[in-house]
Amino acid sequence: DTGVSQDPRHKITKRGQNVTFRCDPISEHNRLYWYRQTLGQGPEFLTYFQNEAQLEKSRLLSDRFSAERPKGSFSTLEIQRTEQGDSAMYLCASSLEPALNTEAFFGQGTRLTVV
Amino acid sequence: RKEVEQDPGPFNVPEGATVAFNCTYSNSASQSFFWYRQDCRKEPKLLMSVYSSGNEDGRFTAQLNRASQYISLLIRDSKLSDSATYLCVVNKAYSGAGSYQLTFGKGTKLSVIP
Repeated sequence: DTGVSQDPRHKITKRGQNVTFRCDPISEHNRLYWYRQTLGQGPEFLTYFQNEAQLEKSRLLSDRFSAERPKGSFSTLEIQRTEQGDSAMYLCASSLEPALNTEAFFGQGTRLTVV
Repeated sequence: RKEVEQDPGPFNVPEGATVAFNCTYSNSASQSFFWYRQDCRKEPKLLMSVYSSGNEDGRFTAQLNRASQYISLLIRDSKLSDSATYLCVVNKAYSGAGSYQLTFGKGTKLSVIP
């Protein structure tokens, strides 16, 4: 399968615990995005990488959130001290520069439930 | 004003009907526009890009009006398999460096009924 892969698909955690999600983009894609989606809403931008550089971060990305893409390939999104409001689907997407019209391909997401 | 606004629906239409979705965006500097489709509990997938000249792909027609900051999607001869949420997506462009952050609307839910 050469699509965007996310792991785990589902995560249930207790409030206050830390969680880490992984995203493996399509191999030749240099752009990688993280989005969050809650029920009835469209995906909301969190952050984006071009190769290993994190070029944009949303105000939604509080200090408890950190994302990395150390070698410009896979990426991790960590949430520290999880809160119930963090419950959502976390989507990763990748695309290939340089055209603005380049399609972003999404992974199947990691569904986080904080109890 | 929200960055990308869509009528959430739901739109319940019979098979064979023609249905139109509208979307408005607030950032006049936006450069790229898309319609994505999202099935229940699945990831969004690109349906089509939207160009200033308008574009058609089979039963689907997308149009862009930059002056009014308005995007539309027309689906002709609706099929049961068209039932999904349709997301209007706009590239949030900054002057100078450029940005590739995609801004999504909340989506419009379509149910095609037998």
